[in-house]
Amino acid sequence: KAGVTQTPRYLIKTRGQQVTLSCSPISGHRSVSWYQQTPGQGLQFLFEYFSETQRNKGNFPGRFSGRQFSNSRSEMNVSTLELGDSALYLCASSGGFLGNTEAFFGQGTRLTVV
Amino acid sequence: GESVGLHLPTLSVQEGDNSIINCAYSNSASDYFIWYKQESGKGPQFIIDIRSNMDKRQGQRVTVLLNKTVKHLSLQIAATQPGDSAVYFCAEKVESGAGSYQLTFGKGTKLSVIP
Repeated sequence: KAGVTQTPRYLIKTRGQQVTLSCSPISGHRSVSWYQQTPGQGLQFLFEYFSETQRNKGNFPGRFSGRQFSNSRSEMNVSTLELGDSALYLCASSGGFLGNTEAFFGQGTRLTVV
Repeated sequence: GESVGLHLPTLSVQEGDNSIINCAYSNSASDYFIWYKQESGKGPQFIIDIRSNMDKRQGQRVTVLLNKTVKHLSLQIAATQPGDSAVYFCAEKVESGAGSYQLTFGKGTKLSVIP
């Protein structure tokens, strides 16, 4: 069974630009969560989608948004990029049903804002 | 606010020795905890989990201990190998209703295995 796939693996953007990252969950998984990982703040929860609906959102500004498609693939978008948005963005998928809580992570997208 | 933290940022152990990585949590209502291993350039990899109705769970070479009285979690790795070198995170499941939850992670402990 294929794991969680994130594309692209690496990305360099300029301040003020926007970026879209993609995540394909494990086949059959309906929940996709996004996390930001930085050396200073560690792993922080961005948002979670289930069946195309955002169920939960972390404490990030509105520049961070996401969506989920009917095939459970998810995208996250960051607009008006700032230097501080440089981070590893991780996607995790799980079955999403109550009690099925094991989350599997992708390898992440390394975003560098210059 | 609620948080999950680690006692030690770095840990160096001799190959073949046992490793113990500690974690403190503050949300007494948490009912599910996970340990993840993250190697350089990779995403976190699930190692083992434990529910709050248990105090010990064993996997292959790993054991997680949960002490709810002092809100402490530990990961024990037996016969540590060079391939165990990585950053280890504990995570706490935080329910947010409607079946959703988020993982609150500790800062991580870097384990270095000395050959």
